[in-house]
Amino acid sequence: GQQVMQIPQYQHVQEGEDFTTYCNSSTTLSNIQWYKQRPGGHPVFLIQLVKSGEVKKQKRLTFQFGEAKKNSSLHITATQTTDVGTYFCAGTSGTYKYIFGTGTRLKVLA
Amino acid sequence: NAGVTQTPKFQVLKTGQSMTLQCAQDMNHEYMSWYRQDPGMGLRLIHYSVGAGITDQGEVPNGYNVSRSTTEDFPLRLLSAAPSQTSVYFCATKPGGVGAPLHFGNGTRLTVT
Repeated sequence: GQQVMQIPQYQHVQEGEDFTTYCNSSTTLSNIQWYKQRPGGHPVFLIQLVKSGEVKKQKRLTFQFGEAKKNSSLHITATQTTDVGTYFCAGTSGTYKYIFGTGTRLKVLA
Repeated sequence: NAGVTQTPKFQVLKTGQSMTLQCAQDMNHEYMSWYRQDPGMGLRLIHYSVGAGITDQGEVPNGYNVSRSTTEDFPLRLLSAAPSQTSVYFCATKPGGVGAPLHFGNGTRLTVT
């Protein structure tokens, strides 16, 4: 079945450093979504990518969808303490099964 | 407008006991789903439904039952709880169409002893 892996599992950065998490799917995806979960909270939708090679930005966050639509990345520039949390990618291969990646837990040291 | 409401927030069960986790939504979303979250495992899909009367299995369906008699409710039943079912459970909904974002409830933290 479809599997989605994310690396790294954990990342500690100093405030102001950049951060990147990578998402890799075993199958070609119709679209990929990114979610953020604050400690003790629930996942909250950030963005969706649909097109091959698509790049979207939200302030300091840059999202990319690979040319083959099997991988994606989230890059945060100049991290802040408010960026703390776990970032998940979630993909679907044209069905209603949204399969989540294993997540990357980000800790920002002030 | 409450969005997605999950009850209870916390539950402790003994092995072999049964219980139902409730999920209710007031957004008229066609799609509803259940995920479990375990450390290092991400969110794993248990069951999902694309409308009243229609359910299907996700990645980890064993030990769980669901039904969807109304648009608003999608309960998750544990018939005989096992320690391996200790987890945080999230209900997530979305409008019709493949690409819409998921809206999550606040979760139910379940411990099975």
